[in-house]
Amino acid sequence: AQSVTQLDSQVPVFEEAPVELRCNYSSSVSVYLFWYVQYPNQGLQLLLKYLSGSTLVKGINGFEAEFNKSQTSFHLRKPSVHISDTAEYFCAVMNTGFQKLVFGTGTRLLVSP
Amino acid sequence: DSGVTQTPKHLITATGQRVTLRCSPRSGDLSVYWYQQSLDQGLQFLIQYYNGEERAKGNILERFSAQQFPDLHSELNLSSLELGDSALYFCASSVVAGGRDTQYFGPGTRLTVL
Repeated sequence: AQSVTQLDSQVPVFEEAPVELRCNYSSSVSVYLFWYVQYPNQGLQLLLKYLSGSTLVKGINGFEAEFNKSQTSFHLRKPSVHISDTAEYFCAVMNTGFQKLVFGTGTRLLVSP
Repeated sequence: DSGVTQTPKHLITATGQRVTLRCSPRSGDLSVYWYQQSLDQGLQFLIQYYNGEERAKGNILERFSAQQFPDLHSELNLSSLELGDSALYFCASSVVAGGRDTQYFGPGTRLTVL
């Protein structure tokens, strides 16, 4: 079985500062990795995904993530955040043989001026 | 807008009742997934259908059932509702059933059981 740990439930940051949201996963088989964002009162939107190949993945809205197999991590980064990035961010893992997403508990990113 | 639609947006009902949540996938998507988001359980996969057939099952209670119709829309039926069933229920869709396909999420149905 797979599991995802998002250690930070909330990350406050000032506008234009860099941010890193941490994600660690556990799995005995190969996995795909995802980051989704949920804005207030909306569904989840895919930010980026790692399937294979280059371990540095670039997504929408200036976000990127790096897959580190040895540390079983998939941290999300943005060099300069905007107020509009305030949202809940979910890391998810999927067994390559199945289609169900296993989500972490989410990290609330709070960007203030 | 992901292209996945869910109705109703909000649903308030009483314990013991039965409700049906509806999902229309993106045009051309054959696979539909249901997820539950609650404060205590987080986001959990419930069930997946692909082209009308059940494909995978997650933490779905026996009181819950789902189906996918020939026009590919899906319904999630929740019966004998309990207070703990109050949650946000998401539907997602993807083109096929492979893990490499992006799952696109709908806006969700917020269920409140009183």
